[in-house]
Amino acid sequence: GNSVTQMEGPVTLSEEAFLTINCTYTATGYPSLFWYVQYPGEGLQLLLKATKADDKGSNKGFEATYRKETTSFHLEKGSVQVSDSAVYFCALVGDSWGKLQFGAGTQVVVTP
Amino acid sequence: DTAVSQTPKYLVTQMGNDKSIKCEQNLGHDTMYWYKQDSKKFLKIMFSYNNKELIINETVPNRFSPKSPDKAHLNLHINSLELGDSAVYFCASSSGRMNTEAFFGQGTRLTVV
Repeated sequence: GNSVTQMEGPVTLSEEAFLTINCTYTATGYPSLFWYVQYPGEGLQLLLKATKADDKGSNKGFEATYRKETTSFHLEKGSVQVSDSAVYFCALVGDSWGKLQFGAGTQVVVTP
Repeated sequence: DTAVSQTPKYLVTQMGNDKSIKCEQNLGHDTMYWYKQDSKKFLKIMFSYNNKELIINETVPNRFSPKSPDKAHLNLHINSLELGDSAVYFCASSSGRMNTEAFFGQGTRLTVV
């Protein structure tokens, strides 16, 4: 079956540091890949997505590239802010009906 | 206007009770979902409906029964609540296609005491 593996947290960074969260997946066919973010006490929001190999998704300074050869979709941001503190989920949709398969989530804490 | 709204936001109840969570979306989507987030933040799909028809039913106890009166609404009824049902339940909707994202509600934090 499909699965998503992402690095465990918490990840603690200082403001303006570089952030990388690793995400790898297992899927048959050609899944679509997503990063969702969950701020404290809130629901999930789409951060970015990529729907085919070599696509780069980007939003709010975050980027991730769909790498089929390494089955990866790592999330990066060049300079984090305190407001980026949240839980980040890597996810895929690999079959019909848009069912999301999530990774375990990575908590990111950014300190001033 | 909230795209996906679910009520209530918090629900505290005793073991053995029956409770319902309601969800509504105004995005015109055909497909709606219930996801469960456990205490370690892990998210797993429970059910999905497409145009009022059940299309995904993961391994969930029979005490959980979804109902979709129309394609804009998806409710979750839970009978005989147990301590292990304590979690955050998220409703979501999407077009149902592989390359489009889902929109999530704010979640319902269910605490069974």
